[in-house]
Amino acid sequence: AQTVTQSQPEMSVQEAETVTLSCTYDTSESDYYLFWYKQPPSRQMILVIRQEAYKQQNATENRFSVNFQKAAKSFSLKISDSQLGDAAMYFCAYRRSQGGSEKLVFGKGTKLTVNP
Amino acid sequence: GAVVSQHPSRVICKSGTSVKIECRSLDFQATTMFWYRQFPKQSLMLMATSNEGSKATYEQGVEKDKFLINHASLTLSTLTVTSAHPEDSSFYICSARVRRSQPQHFGDGTRLSIL
Repeated sequence: AQTVTQSQPEMSVQEAETVTLSCTYDTSESDYYLFWYKQPPSRQMILVIRQEAYKQQNATENRFSVNFQKAAKSFSLKISDSQLGDAAMYFCAYRRSQGGSEKLVFGKGTKLTVNP
Repeated sequence: GAVVSQHPSRVICKSGTSVKIECRSLDFQATTMFWYRQFPKQSLMLMATSNEGSKATYEQGVEKDKFLINHASLTLSTLTVTSAHPEDSSFYICSARVRRSQPQHFGDGTRLSIL
């Protein structure tokens, strides 16, 4: 079974600074998707960024970028120029790409605090 | 695009009551929707996959007679918690995707409190 591990229960960053959230996963499959979702206090899950395992290039979305290390099964999220609105729970998630369940397997989350 | 609406956002009811939660895809058709449950300060756990026109697929340990899922149309799935008890109190959240290769988009969630 696939597992996703987020080793940082909480992180903090100063406004305008950069922070990196860690995520590792375990799978025997070669093709899959990885995601970072953000859950602010409003509780809605918002997709931040996604990565397809067959792509070597790291995904980027404005201030958000990932460092995808397939061999190491690592998928960290870097937030640049942090803003107060970035404060939220961040969940790393895995999903297989072909056949079977489309189940998202989530890590336990990292609570990010942004200090003014 | 890819907006998912969930209703109601909050329910408080007495033990023994059945509660229905709706999940709608507003601007796309979703042949498949997903129902998750989230306990306080924990991650989301998939309960079941809802398939339009067929029976839902439940995850191991989820009681299908307790959590009834109906996917009535390509834009609506409902989750009914039957004879709810305090231990069913939780945050329930649905998601949907346009096609398998696309990411899941989530609704706002429903906080269910059983007294």
